[in-house]
Amino acid sequence: AQRVTQPEKLLSVFKGAPVELKCNYSYSGSPELFWYVQYSRQRLQLLLRHISRESIKGFTADLNKGETSFHLKKPFAQEEDSAMYYCALSGQGGSEKLVFGKGTKLTVNP
Amino acid sequence: GAGVSQSPRYKVAKRGQDVALRCDPISGHVSLFWYQQALGQGPEFLTYFQNEAQLDKSGLPSDRFFAERPEGSVSTLKIQRTQQEDSAVYLCASSPNRGNQPQHFGDGTRLSIL
Repeated sequence: AQRVTQPEKLLSVFKGAPVELKCNYSYSGSPELFWYVQYSRQRLQLLLRHISRESIKGFTADLNKGETSFHLKKPFAQEEDSAMYYCALSGQGGSEKLVFGKGTKLTVNP
Repeated sequence: GAGVSQSPRYKVAKRGQDVALRCDPISGHVSLFWYQQALGQGPEFLTYFQNEAQLDKSGLPSDRFFAERPEGSVSTLKIQRTQQEDSAVYLCASSPNRGNQPQHFGDGTRLSIL
C-alpha cells in the first residue's frame, strides 16, 4: 500500500536554527517524492521534488531509498518559513495521483 | 496567468442536500485532480481526469460522489444527499500533461454540512 508518514504534527524552532521535517514512505516500486507547502491564507504550492535536485528557499531534501525517507532540511530557519508542510508521493508512469502525509506545522520563533 | 480557480470558496448546506463544486483549471492543462482534505489531515485523492476522460475514480468515498469534465476543461464535483462526514475542504489541482508534472492547486472549497 502507498503511504506517507510525517511523524511530527508540530515543530517549533528558533530563527537561525537548523530544521528537519521528517517524511517516511511506503511504496512498492520507485515513487516520485515531493514537498508541498501551505503558507497562512495561501494555497498549497510545490516546494521541491526529488528528481529536480534543486534547493528552493534554502530547503533541500534527499531521497534515501534504503531508509524510505525524504526528509526536508534547512540549515538556518527564517520566520517566513513558518507554514504547513506536506510530504507526498506519486507513482511513475501510470498513476499520477498524489498520496499525502498528514502534514507538519512548522513555527519559526524570533 | 490565472491559476486554478475554485468556486464557491465556502459552502454551507443542510444534511441531505445536494451540492456542486466547480473547478476551472489552468488553461491548456490536460490533467485535473480532485482531493478531499478533512480537518487536521493531508489531502486525499478522489478522482482524476485526462481531458474529458475520467481515468481514476478509486478515491470517491461513495456513489453519492460524482465528478465530470465534459469538455475537458471545467470540472464539477457533485455530492448528493450530503452527510456530516462530507464536511471538508475540496481541492482541485491541474497539471500540463500526462505524467508526473507538478500539480497546481486551487484555494479549495470549504464545505460545511449542518
